[in-house]
Amino acid sequence: GENVEQHPSTLSVQEGDSAVIKCTYSDSASNYFPWYKQELGKRPQLIIDIRSNVGEKKDQRIAVTLNKTAKHFSLHITETQPEDSAVYFCAASHPQAAGNKLTFGGGTRVLVKP
Amino acid sequence: DGGITQSPKYLFRKEGQNVTLSCEQNLNHDAMYWYRQDPGQGLRLIYYSQIVNDFQKGDIAEGYSVSREKKESFPLTVTSAQKNPTAFYLCASNPWDNGQPQHFGDGTRLSIL
Repeated sequence: GENVEQHPSTLSVQEGDSAVIKCTYSDSASNYFPWYKQELGKRPQLIIDIRSNVGEKKDQRIAVTLNKTAKHFSLHITETQPEDSAVYFCAASHPQAAGNKLTFGGGTRVLVKP
Repeated sequence: DGGITQSPKYLFRKEGQNVTLSCEQNLNHDAMYWYRQDPGQGLRLIYYSQIVNDFQKGDIAEGYSVSREKKESFPLTVTSAQKNPTAFYLCASNPWDNGQPQHFGDGTRLSIL
């Protein structure tokens, strides 16, 4: 089955700096890659997603890049703010995944220091 | 307001007791999922269901059971066989089509008395 690894597990940045989180996946058939943000005690919320026919997608200060050849994708947060502090999860799924399942990475705890 | 409703928000279980967590969605989604999240950890899939009256085991199904009698409802029972049930339980749903994001409920925090 699919395996998703996420790095780093924790990331501390100064307010205004950029943050980058990387994920690698094992199944070359995977074609959908969402990113979720989870604040303490809350539900994970989708912040951006990308499909395999696209190499990059941006939404204001957030961007995701996908390298299908290397089987990795990354989340980029620019001009970080204290409210960006949370745990971020990447995930992957492919067309044959039973039940349209997502395989999640282990999460990255991001701390933005004022 | 469309969404996924989980109840209760907090639940306490006594030794040897089965407890049931509720998950209801009004998004008309076909697929529903249950995840377990331990402190500081990622999401692990317990069970999922693609259609009514059908469900599949996830990665950590032992000690849990589910039913899917209605499209909008997917309750999870934590049985007495689950010896370490303390965790945050999240329900999610999405349309059947490939490449659709999962939407999550607010979760139920289960603890042992």
